[in-house]
Amino acid sequence: DARVTQTPRHKVTEMGQEVTMRCQPILGHNTVFWYRQTMMQGLELLAYFRNRAPLDDSGMPKDRFSAEMPDATLATLKIQPSEPRDSAVYFCASGLVEGGSYNEQFFGPGTRLTVL
Amino acid sequence: AQSVTQLGSHVSVSEGALVLLRCNYSSSVPPYLFWYVQYPNQGLQLLLKYTSAATLVKGINGFEAEFKKSETSFHLTKPSAHMSDAAEYFCAVTRSGGYNKLIFGAGTRLAVHP
Repeated sequence: DARVTQTPRHKVTEMGQEVTMRCQPILGHNTVFWYRQTMMQGLELLAYFRNRAPLDDSGMPKDRFSAEMPDATLATLKIQPSEPRDSAVYFCASGLVEGGSYNEQFFGPGTRLTVL
Repeated sequence: AQSVTQLGSHVSVSEGALVLLRCNYSSSVPPYLFWYVQYPNQGLQLLLKYTSAATLVKGINGFEAEFKKSETSFHLTKPSAHMSDAAEYFCAVTRSGGYNKLIFGAGTRLAVHP
């Protein structure tokens, strides 16, 4: 059945290293979201794409984070350089926006990032 | 601006007891409201949603929620808790009109005891 996939599921890295997280949205979905989940801050929206164009990335630290959609089947979230405070679970979600209707966001299993 | 407040970060019930998880929202425009469930080490799964149709919404796993505009609430209930209901539950709000950006509450962790 259709689902959002994320790779890697777990990533341990050292401070200063580049981290790239990948997401494959559900085929046919035209919106992609990146969320970060931490104990302290809960679920935060980092970036939001529609039809591969970034609509809202106001939740993302611009100096070190970047999000792209090279094509409709791949979304990436990159951190360079990584810092210990970036340790969190990063979720990707996808959905379909048609006209003025709302449709469910489907979440991937997440990437658990640990920065030492 | 929109926001969600979930009252009680932890709720504990006995198996078979009523589950009540509270959610209050703030929105300057007609909202769409959602409850998501997160099991350990998994992503979020939609339980139910209110999108301006019936105010009493039924979801999966026996859960339901009632939209009360006068109280700005969208509490989640289940008549009889099951051990498998133990998880974290998130209330979320978005604007109507296809915008789709969800604002999540802080979450409520539900524990179910035998």
